[in-house]
Amino acid sequence: DTAVSQTPKYLVTQMGNDKSIKCEQNLGHDTMYWYKQDSKKFLKIMFSYNNKELIINETVPNRFSPKSPDKAHLNLHINSLELGDSAVYFCASSQDQGVYGYTFGSGTRLTVV
Amino acid sequence: AQSVTQPDIHITVSEGASLELRCNYSYGATPYLFWYVQSPGQGLQLLLKYFSGDTLVQGIKGFEAEFKRSQSSFNLRKPSVHWSDAAEYFCAVGGSGTYKYIFGTGTRLKVLA
Repeated sequence: DTAVSQTPKYLVTQMGNDKSIKCEQNLGHDTMYWYKQDSKKFLKIMFSYNNKELIINETVPNRFSPKSPDKAHLNLHINSLELGDSAVYFCASSQDQGVYGYTFGSGTRLTVV
Repeated sequence: AQSVTQPDIHITVSEGASLELRCNYSYGATPYLFWYVQSPGQGLQLLLKYFSGDTLVQGIKGFEAEFKRSQSSFNLRKPSVHWSDAAEYFCAVGGSGTYKYIFGTGTRLKVLA
């Protein structure tokens, strides 16, 4: 019973396409996050939602749009994909501002060709 | 500025040897500190955390870490490394009132049989 599940695990698409990544957590956590991990393994936060409210919105192109229909789900939609968007995208969740740490999903490897 | 530095990009140790991975942080308030491990193709798993109390914290898989405020460090240790410990290790820092945690650039551990 996966705690934080992301779909799809792999996504290969052409430049200019629009794609979505879905994330669901069954831990009852109140906060969810999207992180981007580049080819050098550097992790950078993109967005965070707390009880469906956007609380972190880092400097991310507006082609990226998160949506949280409820506190157990956080989706990431990407418009007009570019080569530079190729990365691994991780969803994570936490409780109590993350003081106990995050629980991460297994990642979505996005390849734009 | 808030930051996390992991000075060692790669570390190679022999199986059974002891291990220490370094982490230095810069944070304006009392930090919450974490170590995560990422196996190939997987998400990050929380090894251990510190936010108050005893400065020597125990984690899963036989790992421990020591918080040294005077040195702004939170080094990860293991007395005897197993081949299955080969992975990427990330240190992260955050604090009270923030949902955003900053990750270091990671240390890749290789274990020789």
